[in-house]
Amino acid sequence: DAGVTQSPTHLIKTRGQQVTLRCSPKSGHDTVSWYQQALGQGPQFIFQYYEEEERQRGNFPDRFSGHQFPNYSSELNVNALLLGDSALYLCASSARGLGETQYFGPGTRLLVL
Amino acid sequence: GENVEQHPSTLSVQEGDSAVIKCTYSDSASNYFPWYKQELGKRPQLIIDIRSNVGEKKDQRIAVTLNKTAKHFSLHITETQPEDSAVYFCAANNPRSYGKLTFGQGTILTVHP
Repeated sequence: DAGVTQSPTHLIKTRGQQVTLRCSPKSGHDTVSWYQQALGQGPQFIFQYYEEEERQRGNFPDRFSGHQFPNYSSELNVNALLLGDSALYLCASSARGLGETQYFGPGTRLLVL
Repeated sequence: GENVEQHPSTLSVQEGDSAVIKCTYSDSASNYFPWYKQELGKRPQLIIDIRSNVGEKKDQRIAVTLNKTAKHFSLHITETQPEDSAVYFCAANNPRSYGKLTFGQGTILTVHP
């Protein structure tokens, strides 16, 4: 049973560029949530996707957008990168996401120079 | 929105001792409280969770207690081992926010042999 997978594992970008991160949920899960984890802090909720729609959003600007595909995989896009966007981006999958257990992927470490 | 406070920020114990980490939450409607363990460079791993219809849950050396009236919950680790050393995060979920988890700031637990 495959767990949550994410790609790429590491990424280096420069300010102003755009980035796309990818997530495949755990088998049997249909909901994907994205979190940003800055160094030394807890994960911060970005948004959640269910049935290919953004169902809930945290306090992140519109530069952060996402998509969910019919196979439940998801992408996180960040435009106009800022130095402060450097962080570990975690994807978590769950079933329906209604207070169900969330399992995290290994994350993508993004460094913005 | 929900706010989760976690204490202490660092905890150092001797092998075999017990460790307790405490979290308080602000939203009385929150009803799901998971705990995650994150080793350096790794993904957060769910170690135990509790829902608001129970006051305590145990899994071998790990237990979680919940006091809904006081809006706080605690993680208890008994007979600590060096491999328990990691960062521990508590989180809370309000069903009105679907699967959004609000995390505490984390506790760095160090178990000395």
